Amino acid sequence: EDQVTQSPEALRLQEGESSSLNCSYTVSGLRGLFWYRQDPGKGPEFLFTLYSAGEEKEKERLKATLTKKESFLHITAPKPEDSATYLCAVQATSGSRLTFGEGTQLTVNP
Amino acid sequence: GAGVSQTPSNKVTEKGKYVELRCDPISGHTALYWYRQSLGQGPEFLIYFQGTGAADDSGLPNDRFFAVRPEGSVSTLKIQRTERGDSAVYLCASSLRGIIDTQYFGPGTRLTVL
Repeated sequence: EDQVTQSPEALRLQEGESSSLNCSYTVSGLRGLFWYRQDPGKGPEFLFTLYSAGEEKEKERLKATLTKKESFLHITAPKPEDSATYLCAVQATSGSRLTFGEGTQLTVNP
Repeated sequence: GAGVSQTPSNKVTEKGKYVELRCDPISGHTALYWYRQSLGQGPEFLIYFQGTGAADDSGLPNDRFFAVRPEGSVSTLKIQRTERGDSAVYLCASSLRGIIDTQYFGPGTRLTVL
């Protein structure tokens, strides 16, 4: 059974204070690892897809990396508008469903 | 262009009633997914459609849950004899062709069973 564990559950940062979120996964065969951002009362918003170990992708203050067992979402000099829940999900080669972690709730204080 | 839309945004019903939740995918997307998200949890897969057919319905929790997509576009998730444990946000996602494509989510329908 595919499993995704995210840590920490919640993270509070001061504006400009860089940090990383972790996503550990076990999957029979990885087709892709996905990062989404979710604001309260809204659906998940797509950020990145990573396909193989060593791959990195960047978007503004966010950078996602992937190893064979985990992924990191690095947030550089965050702003209050980066506050949201960040969800990690894996898709196995055996199917199309996404298996999600429980998310990390990020709060960035001004 | 327009994203995935879901109606209603909120639905309150009584235990034992029947409900229908609707999803309009992004135009041209052939794959459609339903997920359920409980408070403080990540979304949980329910069913995947490729065109009009259910390619994977292994996430449906029991036979009270059923979904259709008769014309390969709009989908309806149907829940019979609702229970309080069915209360959650029901999310719909669509992707261009299916397996290898990014899933884009709608805003969800918040279902409350009293």
